[in-house]
Amino acid sequence: DGGITQSPKYLFRKEGQNVTLSCEQNLNHDAMYWYRQDPGQGLRLIYYSQIVNDFQKGDIAEGYSVSREKKESFPLTVTSAQKNPTAFYLCASSIVSTVTGFLNTEAFFGQGTRLTVV
Amino acid sequence: SQQGEEDPQALSIQEGENATMNCSYKTSINNLQWYRQNSGRGLVHLILIRSNEREKHSGRLRVTLDTSKKSSSLLITASRAADTASYFCATERGNRLAFGKGNQVVVIP
Repeated sequence: DGGITQSPKYLFRKEGQNVTLSCEQNLNHDAMYWYRQDPGQGLRLIYYSQIVNDFQKGDIAEGYSVSREKKESFPLTVTSAQKNPTAFYLCASSIVSTVTGFLNTEAFFGQGTRLTVV
Repeated sequence: SQQGEEDPQALSIQEGENATMNCSYKTSINNLQWYRQNSGRGLVHLILIRSNEREKHSGRLRVTLDTSKKSSSLLITASRAADTASYFCATERGNRLAFGKGNQVVVIP
């Protein structure tokens, strides 16, 4: 089955630690995204990548880092510099039109990782 | 500021009734998308409407887009208990999606 997989589903982090959230897709999508969702809030974009070995900061990139070494994988590291990391993290992927560069189709989301600082 | 702001924020209806929610945005867009999120889960795409389209249907869903007013609406007809979820609009500009805060819809059986 094609899809996008996030792991783990739940993650606990001690203050001062870095943690890495995994996101893998087998949809052959070029674009991948990381969003953060806080209770009662919409999704805020952390980082996105449209091609291997390239990524851009979103609206709230401070305290986070990513890599895109393979098309299928886009891991997110929550560093100790992120002061309020407790949140629900969502990864998504999509096709980007090679003609327009626009995101003209739907985004597919993983089931999310709930990160809690203890 | 965040693209896409849904109104109302929370809606409670009886099964069989229609549910309508609105979304406004601030700048020009290429398309607008609606997503559903069940509690604690990822988002699921419902429908995409392009900037040159005014209305689109998919099953019990009807989406309208008014680019002159920079607004969109999502109508769910004959609601079911399984429609209980949060609904988000997202606007696409270039190569990224910007989401609103979402509407919580509760359908009472």
